[in-house]
Amino acid sequence: DTAVSQTPKYLVTQMGNDKSIKCEQNLGHDTMYWYKQDSKKFLKIMFSYNNKELIINETVPNRFSPKSPDKAHLNLHINSLELGDSAVYFCASSHFKNEQFFGPGTRLTVL
Amino acid sequence: AQTVTQSQPEMSVQEAETVTLSCTYDTSESDYYLFWYKQPPSRQMILVIRQEAYKQQNATENRFSVNFQKAAKSFSLKISDSQLGDAAMYFCARSNTGNQFYFGTGTSLTVIP
Repeated sequence: DTAVSQTPKYLVTQMGNDKSIKCEQNLGHDTMYWYKQDSKKFLKIMFSYNNKELIINETVPNRFSPKSPDKAHLNLHINSLELGDSAVYFCASSHFKNEQFFGPGTRLTVL
Repeated sequence: AQTVTQSQPEMSVQEAETVTLSCTYDTSESDYYLFWYKQPPSRQMILVIRQEAYKQQNATENRFSVNFQKAAKSFSLKISDSQLGDAAMYFCARSNTGNQFYFGTGTSLTVIP
């Protein structure tokens, strides 16, 4: 009964490739998020999305794009991967301003 | 600015002792929630405790309690009777009415046996 799931948990790929990370939540939450956690453990918000609004962190390169087929899913697409994209990516969901529930994270390694 | 500040990058505590992690935040809103999350080496983000800003009473969860000072915009976490399993990265966070969340830079807690 995983609340927020992400696939894959590990992703190793070459520079220049395009990849996707999938996220699903079964909590009935209205808002989903993507975070990037770098090697210093800083959590950086990339996107937040509900059925009304997509909010993009302006510092996120446009190679990153969220895709939401429905309220329970928010996938992350990354084009033309770069070395600096290596990080752990977390999906999360929340109901209004209540606590966020996080997925297990996806460790992306770009070679 | 919508910032959350954790001024202690690293802390350590002897097993069974008490430690307090600091957090301050900046907001012009009156309605928001505050959280402490724990991230052990497994990297899973785990909610430790939450506090609604409209509540004056400090939240407690077993060995974890907070000292919420709304006027000072301070939200510290106290861990009593520290255990080895408490060793982790701790993040302070705040949410607002727009469903936005703001995280601090984290405090790495070491528990010394």
